Amino acid sequence: EADIYQTPRYLVIGTGKKITLECSQTMGHDKMYWYQQDPGMELHLIHYSYGVNSTEKGDLSSESTVSRIRTEHFPLTLESARPSHTSQYLCASSGDRGLLRGYTFGSGTRLTVV
Amino acid sequence: QQQVKQSPQSLIVQKGGISIINCAYENTAFDYFPWYQQFPGKGPALLIAIRPDVSEKKEGRFTISFNKSAKQFSLHIMDSQPGDSATYFCAARSTSGTYKYIFGTGTRLKVLA
Repeated sequence: EADIYQTPRYLVIGTGKKITLECSQTMGHDKMYWYQQDPGMELHLIHYSYGVNSTEKGDLSSESTVSRIRTEHFPLTLESARPSHTSQYLCASSGDRGLLRGYTFGSGTRLTVV
Repeated sequence: QQQVKQSPQSLIVQKGGISIINCAYENTAFDYFPWYQQFPGKGPALLIAIRPDVSEKKEGRFTISFNKSAKQFSLHIMDSQPGDSATYFCAARSTSGTYKYIFGTGTRLKVLA
């Protein structure tokens, strides 16, 4: 069962629209991450957060923005969607404290911009 | 920049065979090495993991072999099954600064029935 939830699972949207991808986790993890992934391909880190009011850009440049107002919630926003944003977006969280457990990933949002 | 190099990019194995995926890292600032399994349409899920003070860890048909001196670790899937067909990612947790996980580029495994 998933402890990290992403909505929507699929989204088809027109160019220029503003969208927000939701990510919530119920594990109390401090660290949260957004990855961009083309199907079955490499994971690219685009944003991460180490706690409330903490956000950083990842290794892959992205036109998206994130916020972390609550520990459990880490939404990603695209102000003006473009076809080049078509991809799968994966949210993950980590609560490594003493016992290392790696990342827990959500099921992803498959975004198509037409 | 810290990197984890993964090979092969894709792998086809007959049912019952052994699947082997290799990863190598470039420096010693890592303290935990997980492997993730991802099925189409799903997020990666933790499969098995190892710490660098252990040379091998086995869980069912899945084994991680770790060679600290060579900076290499590998995933072995014994008696591979069609249900193992997925993309596999190795990862390493960095101990420098942010404690992020660095992922390999992934291996697409297909097990033929």
